[in-house]
Amino acid sequence: EAGVTQFPSHSVIEKGQTVTLRCDPISGHDNLYWYRRVMGKEIKFLLHFVKESKQDESGMPNNRFLAERTGGTYSTLKVQPAELEDSGVYFCASSETPTDTQYFGPGTRLTVL
Amino acid sequence: GQSLEQPSEVTAVEGAIVQINCTYQTSGFYGLSWYQQHDGGAPTFLSYNALDGLEETGRFSSFLSRSDSYGYLLLQELQMKDSASYFCAVRNQAGTALIFGKGTTLSVSS
Repeated sequence: EAGVTQFPSHSVIEKGQTVTLRCDPISGHDNLYWYRRVMGKEIKFLLHFVKESKQDESGMPNNRFLAERTGGTYSTLKVQPAELEDSGVYFCASSETPTDTQYFGPGTRLTVL
Repeated sequence: GQSLEQPSEVTAVEGAIVQINCTYQTSGFYGLSWYQQHDGGAPTFLSYNALDGLEETGRFSSFLSRSDSYGYLLLQELQMKDSASYFCAVRNQAGTALIFGKGTTLSVSS
């Protein structure tokens, strides 16, 4: 069974540009989560999808971040316009149920210059 | 709110035993999880304790004391490949999203 995959693995953009990150969860996992780790800090929750619905987006830092999960399969996280403080590693995780073990992808390392 | 405390660094030699402690504060408790992360890669699930006591999985064990809001990860017969970051985590108030500690960097030397 394939694990959680994320694309791209690395992205370097300039301040003000737009970047879209993609996450493909484990097949059959209705629950999809986005997390972020900023340098030197802990991994922090961004939002939670159940199928195509946003269950909890309390961790989204501001309205420059837009997450979607059309069709309830893969998800995208768009940052527009990107700021320097958005640099970090963005992880996606998925689980069968909301309280089950979460399996993480390898992350996308975003660098905003 | 929720918060977790764990040591920032631990060093040990091959073959040794190391214990990584974690204390937590949470308004609703849904268990304590441990994840391993190599070189900034995907955090990998190691163990989960919902009830007090010790859970053993091979060379790794995890312990929980809910009355003390405390748990630990015990790594035995350390190998070089165990060098990694280890995170303890609890769930948010809804019992869904994970709240992580800052992580403990374990360095195993020969």
